[in-house]
Order: sequence, then structure tokens, then C-alpha cells
Amino acid sequence: GQQVMQIPQYQHVQEGEDFTTYCNSSTTLSNIQWYKQRPGGHPVFLIQLVKSGEVKKQKRLTFQFGEAKKNSSLHITATQTTDVGTYFCALNTGTASKLTFGTGTRLQVTL
Amino acid sequence: EPEVTQTPSHQVTQMGQEVILRCVPISNHLYFYWYRQILGQKVEFLVSFYNNEISEKSEIFDDQFSVERPDGSNFTLKIRSTKLEDSAMYFCASRLPGYTQYFGPGTRLTVL
Repeated sequence: GQQVMQIPQYQHVQEGEDFTTYCNSSTTLSNIQWYKQRPGGHPVFLIQLVKSGEVKKQKRLTFQFGEAKKNSSLHITATQTTDVGTYFCALNTGTASKLTFGTGTRLQVTL
Repeated sequence: EPEVTQTPSHQVTQMGQEVILRCVPISNHLYFYWYRQILGQKVEFLVSFYNNEISEKSEIFDDQFSVERPDGSNFTLKIRSTKLEDSAMYFCASRLPGYTQYFGPGTRLTVL
């Protein structure tokens, strides 16, 4: 089945710095979703991207879907300690719309 | 806001024992899922359930696993004979047609 790789695996930033995580696939994706999982928590849906080149913003978060629909990124501007967690991209596939998660990027933010 | 609930929050069991993990999906949702997450790893799909039957399952979901929706509200995952490698966080999720999945808080299963 389709797989997605995420980089970096881990990022440690100072509060106020920017952060970006990338999700890459070897095949064309029909859509991509992003989830946030706080430490000890469950995945929480952030956004879904469907169109080639699509860019969506949620306050300090900017999501992009590549023109070839093979990659996606999540950028956080001016990180805060509340941004701490693991960010996963996920594919929605199959007749049952199961989610295939990427490997995740763990973000640590310190003051 | 409606939410998916799961019980217990933590289950400790001996290897070879049967466990049942329970989930109450959001009440008007029609699609139900189980995922698992081994500590420090990604979330992995186990099984999806719709219209009272399994619609898709992964390679992980072997004969030791089963799911059931015994009544209108509960959705259960049974592991017949637990192995050490079954230790993980198990998440239930549910959704409406055409909408995103909502995850429960998870059950941490520890097999000794």
C-alpha cells in the first residue's frame, strides 16, 4: 500500500522560532491529512488537503500540498510551548477510508 | 461536543490471556475503526467496521483479533491470546460518511 515518510523525526526549537515538517510519498496522493498528537494524547485532526498546490492556513499553521501531489508540509510560525507534540501526516485510502499515518515529527519547544 | 470514549484507560494482562477493549463511538457515526500505536512509533490501522461487518483489515489483524458491535452504542476489540508484542496504545475512531475520523483517548495495553 501507499506509504509516506516524514522528516525530520524530531525537532527541538526555542519558543518563537519557526518549525516545518515534511511529508513525502513516491506515488501521487489523492489527499493528505494532518494530525497533532500531544504527549500522552490521541491524534487530533488538523486539516485535509485535496488540490494540487493547495495552501491552507490556521492561525500560525500553514499547510501546503505539492504541485505534483507527492509531498506536503506543515509550517508553524513563532512556535509556542502549546505546539509541543507529534505531528503526523496521514493518507485517507481504501473503500473504508482508513488512515495510513506517516512516521511523525516530534516537536519540542523550550522557553 | 460529542466525543469517542474508551475503557479501560489502562489494562494490564498476562501473556496468553484474553482482553476486551471497549469503545463508545459518537452516537450518530456509522464507520468505526481500531488503530494501535506501539510506544514511540506511528499509529497503525487495524480494522474498519461498517454496517455490522468488517470492511477492511490490516495484516496485523490476524485470527487473534476480533471486533464486535454488540449493541447500538459499544464497539469492542477482543484479543484472544495476548502476546508481549501486543503491548501498545489502542485507539478507537469513528466518523460520519464523508467526514473526518474522531479518535478516542485510547487504552494502554500492557502484556506481561
